[in-house]
Amino acid sequence: AQSVTQPDIHITVSEGASLELRCNYSYGATPYLFWYVQSPGQGLQLLLKYFSGDTLVQGIKGFEAEFKRSQSSFNLRKPSVHWSDAAEYFCAVHNPGSYIPTFGRGTSLIVHP
Amino acid sequence: NAGVTQTPKFRVLKTGQSMTLLCAQDMNHEYMYWYRQDPGMGLRLIHYSVGEGTTAKGEVPDGYNVSRLKKQNFLLGLESAAPSQTSVYFCASSYQNTGELFFGEGSRLTVL
Repeated sequence: AQSVTQPDIHITVSEGASLELRCNYSYGATPYLFWYVQSPGQGLQLLLKYFSGDTLVQGIKGFEAEFKRSQSSFNLRKPSVHWSDAAEYFCAVHNPGSYIPTFGRGTSLIVHP
Repeated sequence: NAGVTQTPKFRVLKTGQSMTLLCAQDMNHEYMYWYRQDPGMGLRLIHYSVGEGTTAKGEVPDGYNVSRLKKQNFLLGLESAAPSQTSVYFCASSYQNTGELFFGEGSRLTVL
């Protein structure tokens, strides 16, 4: 069975600092990979996705993620964090042979002014 | 284009009462999902559907029932609510089996 690990429950950064959120997955082949963001009181919104091809993918709001097959990782990055980026971030993987995406438990991002 | 709409957004129930959460999507998506979100637990799949007239159990199906009589609607029912079902419920849909989900804004349910 596939699984997703987001090792950091909370991350605190200062506004303007760079950000990296970690995501590791367990799956035999290359799954489809996603990052979602959830603002307080809202549903999840897709930030970016990876299906195949270029391992560095660009998303909305200035985010990017890099797929590293050798490390089974799909880490999310942003060069300069804004206060409005404070939210919960979820990594998800999907096995095309299954109907069910698997989500990590989320990382809560706190941004200090 | 409303996307995925959940009703109601808030509800308070007493233990033993029943209710239905409605999820409606206007994107002609085949796949629909019901999740619950609890602090520290992430998203847990309750039930899902891969097309009109189909439903299947997810990770935490006990105490819930679902129906997908129309392609655009996915209903989640609680026949006898329990305090353990206090949670935020999210509906999501997907056009193809890619795992890319479109989420509703959530329904916050409190069972007293």
